[in-house]
This record gives sequence, structure tokens and C-alpha cells, in this order.
Amino acid sequence: AQKITQTQPGMFVQEKEAVTLDCTYDTSDPSYGLFWYKQPSSGEMIFLIYQGSYDQQNATEGRYSLNFQKARKSANLVISASQLGDSAMYFCAMRRSNDYKLSFGAGTTVTVRA
Amino acid sequence: DAGITQSPRHKVTETGTPVTLRCHQTENHRYMYWYRQDPGHGLRLIHYSYGVKDTDKGEVSDGYSVSRSKTEDFLLTLESATSSQTSVYFCAISRTGEVYEQYFGPGTRLTVT
Repeated sequence: AQKITQTQPGMFVQEKEAVTLDCTYDTSDPSYGLFWYKQPSSGEMIFLIYQGSYDQQNATEGRYSLNFQKARKSANLVISASQLGDSAMYFCAMRRSNDYKLSFGAGTTVTVRA
Repeated sequence: DAGITQSPRHKVTETGTPVTLRCHQTENHRYMYWYRQDPGHGLRLIHYSYGVKDTDKGEVSDGYSVSRSKTEDFLLTLESATSSQTSVYFCAISRTGEVYEQYFGPGTRLTVT
């Protein structure tokens, strides 16, 4: 199975500031996809953003952007202008191109302070 | 909203009893998954299905079985529940297309005493 590493178990960020969540992955496949999910305290899993390994540009979705560094095998999530509603656990996940299964990291808890 | 429901949402059961969790989807997606979520482990894949009666094991399948007799329903069974199976269980589907992102049900919190 692919290995996904999220080294930050918890982070605090001030409201309106940006925060970067680290994700590194380990795969020998040339083609793969990277995902970020948000899990608020209510428990649901919310799909945020996707990056394909051959995508030329970093993915962006509103205040979310993905800092993709293929050679370093990292796919960090950047949340700009943090809001109180961004307080949640965030998971990085990966799938291979010929597979539909996801492998998840352990997650990072983000707490936004007013 | 991908039209995924899970039942029950909460269950407390005793060690050794059988338990079945149900996942129901309304959009005829081919791929369905069962995960468990435990602190420090993220989500781990238990079993998945790529069509009616087509299922396969994930990374933590011991003690679990699944069945899919209809496109819309994917059942997860704990034949004889153990305390180590206390967890939150999520069902998911893959949307087909370029990305195959997964969408999740609301989860079932299972406690085995």
C-alpha cells in the first residue's frame, strides 16, 4: 500500500492568516492522484481538492490551494485567510492511476483562533 | 451530497455478537468502499466493491465480510464482534470521470463492549 505521511498532528492558526498542512507520500508509480479531505467536528468527510501527478499547475479551489512538489513527493494544502469554520481535521490521500482505492494519512487537526 | 446513507448511525453491541452495517446510495455508482476510522490511523480500507457481487479485500479486512447484491446497497458484516472493532465506519462511493474522487456517508459509530 502507498504510504501517506502527515507529520503535524495539530496546529493553531490565527483567524485571517494562512496555514500550510504538510503531506508527503511514497509511491513508485509514475501516475497517481492526490486528495485532501476536511472532517469537521460533526464527523462528515468533505472532499476539498485534487491534484493529478501530471497536472502542470498546482490545484486551487477557492481559499484552498495545493503546493505540489513532485520531486520531493509532497502535496501540502494551503488554506488562505483562515476562518473559524476551518477548524477541523484534514486528511491527505492518494490513489494510483489504475486503481480507485484511496490511502489516507493520519490527519492534521487545525484550530483557528479568533 | 452524493446520496449516501448509512444505518444504523450508532450501535452498541456485545463481544461475540454479529453486526451488519448498511450503506445505501441513490446514484448507481459502481464503486463502493467501507473504511474504519481510528485515532492516529486516519481512514483504513476494509473492503470495496466494483460492481454487484464483485468485492475485494482492503488493508484491514480480517474479521469483516461484505456483500453487494444490488447496486445501491453495500453491507458490512462483523461475524463476531470484538472490542478492537470499536470504531467509526464510513461508507464511500467513487464518482467516475477523470478524478474518481470519493464521497462519504455520514458514518456509523460502533461500540463493542
